[in-house]
Amino acid sequence: KAGVTQTPRYLIKTRGQQVTLSCSPISGHRSVSWYQQTPGQGLQFLFEYFSETQRNKGNFPGRFSGRQFSNSRSEMNVSTLELGDSALYLCASSPIGTGNLNGYTFGSGTRLTVV
Amino acid sequence: QKEVEQDPGPLSVPEGAIVSLNCTYSNSAFQYFMWYRQYSRKGPELLMYTYSSGNKEDGRFTAQVDKSSKYISLFIRDSQPSDSATYLCAMAAITGGGNKLTFGTGTQLKVEL
Repeated sequence: KAGVTQTPRYLIKTRGQQVTLSCSPISGHRSVSWYQQTPGQGLQFLFEYFSETQRNKGNFPGRFSGRQFSNSRSEMNVSTLELGDSALYLCASSPIGTGNLNGYTFGSGTRLTVV
Repeated sequence: QKEVEQDPGPLSVPEGAIVSLNCTYSNSAFQYFMWYRQYSRKGPELLMYTYSSGNKEDGRFTAQVDKSSKYISLFIRDSQPSDSATYLCAMAAITGGGNKLTFGTGTQLKVEL
């Protein structure tokens, strides 16, 4: 069974640019969540999508946005990149419903470096 | 104050030692408790999952939850060099609004030969 796939694995962008990251969930999983991981703050929740609708959002500025497609694949976008956006961005998928956290599975992440 | 506090380590132990990793939390609404292991350049991998107070055992791993003290622990018996990784505690309060995990900052563990 294929896991959560994130692309690209590594990305280098210049301050002020925008970036789009992609996540393909485990087959059958309809919930996709995004997290930012930095050495100082650890893993912080960005947002969650379920059936193409955002149903949960963390405390991040509006420069961070996302969407989910009908096949459950998700993308997140960061506009006007800042140096502080350098981080590992992780996607997690979970089975249908709320509370099925036993199946909450992470991808390997996209390492974004802003220069 | 962070909702979840975790000793950052690093923790270095000899092979075969018993390892104890701990987290405390302040949000009484947390109902689900998890431990993840993260190797370098990889995503977190679920080790243990529980939603009740008490102990849960899986092989060399035991997760302990004390909701009255807002304290959770992960014990690793007979630790191996392959256990060297960062261990993250995670918690969730399911309120019908979806799934959102709150993580500790992680404890870096090194098991030495």
